[in-house]
Amino acid sequence: AQSVTQLGSHVSVSEGALVLLRCNYSSSVPPYLFWYVQYPNQGLQLLLKYTTGATLVKGINGFEAEFKKSETSFHLTKPSAHMSDAAEYFCAVSGGNAGNMLTFGGGTRLMVKP
Amino acid sequence: SAVISQKPSRDICQRGTSLTIQCQVDSQVTMMFWYRQQPGQSLTLIATANQGSEATYESGFVIDKFPISRPNLTFSTLTVSNMSPEDSSIYLCSVDEKRTYTFGSGTRLTVV
Repeated sequence: AQSVTQLGSHVSVSEGALVLLRCNYSSSVPPYLFWYVQYPNQGLQLLLKYTTGATLVKGINGFEAEFKKSETSFHLTKPSAHMSDAAEYFCAVSGGNAGNMLTFGGGTRLMVKP
Repeated sequence: SAVISQKPSRDICQRGTSLTIQCQVDSQVTMMFWYRQQPGQSLTLIATANQGSEATYESGFVIDKFPISRPNLTFSTLTVSNMSPEDSSIYLCSVDEKRTYTFGSGTRLTVV
């Protein structure tokens, strides 16, 4: 079965600082990779996804992620944090060994300090 | 991408009762998924529901507790049966359209 590991259940950054949220996956076959954001008391919103092609993926709200097969990683970054970025972020994978189902990491709560 | 209408958005239920959650999709989709998000936790897949066949349940989830219906390609229901406080969670439905996964807004369930 596939698994997704998000290092750091809580990450705190200052406004304007770099945001780096880490995601590693386990799969013998390259999967499809996703980052979702969940604002308080709201549903899940897709930030970006990697399926094939260019390994650097740009998403909404200035976020991007890079698929590194050799490191089995798909870390999420944003050059400059904004207060509105405070939310829960989930990395997820599908495909590979697990077919169509989406498997989620444990989530990372991003806090942005003024 | 598909738009999902999920109802109810929240409910407070007495233990021992059942709640049925509905998801309506604005397009025909083959695969629908039901997830549970326990307080402060990530999302866990309950089951996959394909139209015309029995739902496939993940380890730890059983049909008697979480019966699912999928009568057509745009609609599904999840029932949480014989509820206990441990069932207090957010329940979300999701659809897969060519590796684009869209989620309903969720049902926040509190069991008292």
